[in-house]
Amino acid sequence: QVLLQESGPGLVKPSGTLSLTCAVSAGSISSSNWWSWVRQSPGKGLEWIGEIYQGDRATYNPSLMSRVTISVDNSKNQIFLRLNSVTAADTAVYYCARNGAYCLDVWGTGTTVTVS
Amino acid sequence: EIVLTQSPDTLSLSPGERATLSCRASQSVSSNYLAWYQQKPGQAPRLLIYSTSIRATGIPDRFSGSGSGTDFTLTISRLEPEDFAVYYCQRYGTSPLYTFGQGTKLEIK
Repeated sequence: QVLLQESGPGLVKPSGTLSLTCAVSAGSISSSNWWSWVRQSPGKGLEWIGEIYQGDRATYNPSLMSRVTISVDNSKNQIFLRLNSVTAADTAVYYCARNGAYCLDVWGTGTTVTVS
Repeated sequence: EIVLTQSPDTLSLSPGERATLSCRASQSVSSNYLAWYQQKPGQAPRLLIYSTSIRATGIPDRFSGSGSGTDFTLTISRLEPEDFAVYYCQRYGTSPLYTFGQGTKLEIK
């Protein structure tokens, strides 16, 4: 069973950049899967951020598109999230997940990011 | 953008009882595109049901999903102590690709 583990700074300053890494184990990110980032905050619930496929195709939530970049490092089996110009509204638990059949079938444990 | 509204917000039941959770979409959703998740405190969501009624790997058969169009239901036939959690429905579509309901908290009565 593939395992996902998010990591990154737990505290980011307003107007700064949030950068997170998702390490994938027991599976390859260059397989025929899309990979997503999702966040969860008390105010907005679960919010899909975007997805990436084999490092060269990404789709983003229109509400975040101007500030977000998702990328991969196939050699390290890692997926990255970068969110610019953060505000307190970006405070959330951030998850990476594997896309399944029109669902998200494997999730990481999540990492908490506070903007302050 | 399609909005998913779950009801009730909180459901109070006892172990052994039957739970029925509702998810209503603001526009019709293909049955292939509706999923349910369970989330316990401090944990990530866990996929329970996809394509409206297909249980994910390892999910007990007391969990079942049904529905079509704009109305979908998650049923737990006999509640076990470990089933008390928050449940989310999710729809796959366009722009954004994935949207979630606000959740139903299933609590012990």
